[in-house]
Amino acid sequence: RKEVEQDPGPFNVPEGATVAFNCTYSNSASQSFFWYRQDCRKEPKLLMSVYSSGNEDGRFTAQLNRASQYISLLIRDSKLSDSATYLCVVGGSARQLTFGSGTQLTVLP
Amino acid sequence: NAGVTQTPKFQVLKTGQSMTLQCAQDMNHEYMSWYRQDPGMGLRLIHYSVGAGITDQGEVPNGYNVSRSTTEDFPLRLLSAAPSQTSVYFCASRDSGTVYNEQFFGPGTRLTVL
Repeated sequence: RKEVEQDPGPFNVPEGATVAFNCTYSNSASQSFFWYRQDCRKEPKLLMSVYSSGNEDGRFTAQLNRASQYISLLIRDSKLSDSATYLCVVGGSARQLTFGSGTQLTVLP
Repeated sequence: NAGVTQTPKFQVLKTGQSMTLQCAQDMNHEYMSWYRQDPGMGLRLIHYSVGAGITDQGEVPNGYNVSRSTTEDFPLRLLSAAPSQTSVYFCASRDSGTVYNEQFFGPGTRLTVL
């Protein structure tokens, strides 16, 4: 079993749609949680951290469920510019980050 | 600030050749790391460093060496290239060893081994 698992997609959605990505992690001792965004042939960049209470940044909402070891990302009112691969990232006690393989999103005009 | 820089952007090697991928950061970050990214497998940690003079192995260290003589630089050496090392390599840095801080990535090096 992979330490961090994501649905690879691809998700193809029309502009304005709401789309949700899910991620599960296997290490119950994980300490930090993030969503990174990676554009085609570019480096990953931090989209947002994920906190236990849930957090929102504009059209993006992230949720963490420690009991179920589950992280989610919700994108509302999708824009063409949201097309990218979204990486679920989990930080453990050994100071390392573990990356999911990513979920590909294409927003269609 | 330039952030994290990597050279070269592209490289083609023949099996058995050696080379060094360069990585530098100007943010005075203690923690630096190297990842490889292969289709469907996400980023996998090769080696990392928590400060000058200190390095350690990650998940997939075989065939690679690193050194950290300064805070700024963290080169990755391929000792004897193999086709299995064809990948995209990313260097990254963050402010400290804690996993709570944002990690910044370089633009990547696309390596093909023939």
